[in-house]
Amino acid sequence: NSKVIQTPRYLVKGQGQKAKMRCIPEKGHPVVFWYQQNKNNEFKFLINFQNQEVLQQIDMTEKRFSAECPSNSPCSLEIQSSEAGDSALYLCASSLLGGRSYEQYFGPGTRLTVL
Amino acid sequence: GDSVTQTEGLVTLTKGLPVMLNCTYQTTYSPFLFWYVQHLNEAPKLLLKSSTDNKRTEHQGFYATLHKSSSSFHLQKSSVQLSDSALYFCAWGYTGGLSGKLTFGEGTQVTVIS
Repeated sequence: NSKVIQTPRYLVKGQGQKAKMRCIPEKGHPVVFWYQQNKNNEFKFLINFQNQEVLQQIDMTEKRFSAECPSNSPCSLEIQSSEAGDSALYLCASSLLGGRSYEQYFGPGTRLTVL
Repeated sequence: GDSVTQTEGLVTLTKGLPVMLNCTYQTTYSPFLFWYVQHLNEAPKLLLKSSTDNKRTEHQGFYATLHKSSSSFHLQKSSVQLSDSALYFCAWGYTGGLSGKLTFGEGTQVTVIS
């Protein structure tokens, strides 16, 4: 069973507010991914890290989202100014290997609702 | 571009019957295929994985074979149980590449009735 921990499980914000969520990857997993799962259950990759370094991120993430994985602290994903379209389940996953696809272990997600 | 297609959005079947969920992919790279299952309000969990052509992989009664000739990785089970009701996602990734991100299909909602 996956031991990826995500907090909070639920987050409610008004439009324009910041929304921050955290993730603790499985012990020993250096690679962390963030995905957005919308109400139609579609997954969108946002960003990933190997240790503290960004491996890849999409344009949306560069503009309104900020993310980091500091050493010895939880990883975090923050939306600077929430929009209604950001309402979704944000899933964190971790993996043993970077640079190639390998099985990823998911947390239960943070469900963000933007009013 | 690279993509994964699941043709069934919704599958409803009776307990004890077999099921097959279709998954096809499109890529010019050497693929690594996965099936994940997501029960309501739970994390997606890895069900199966494969990068080996024509080799059947099995787990918890589910099985799938990667066929590179037809770009397919269909999920099957010979006898479904009520507890198999869930969302099933096929996902594709690189066997070599910069980031290791997965590309997911649209998902198939499976409902098993008694």
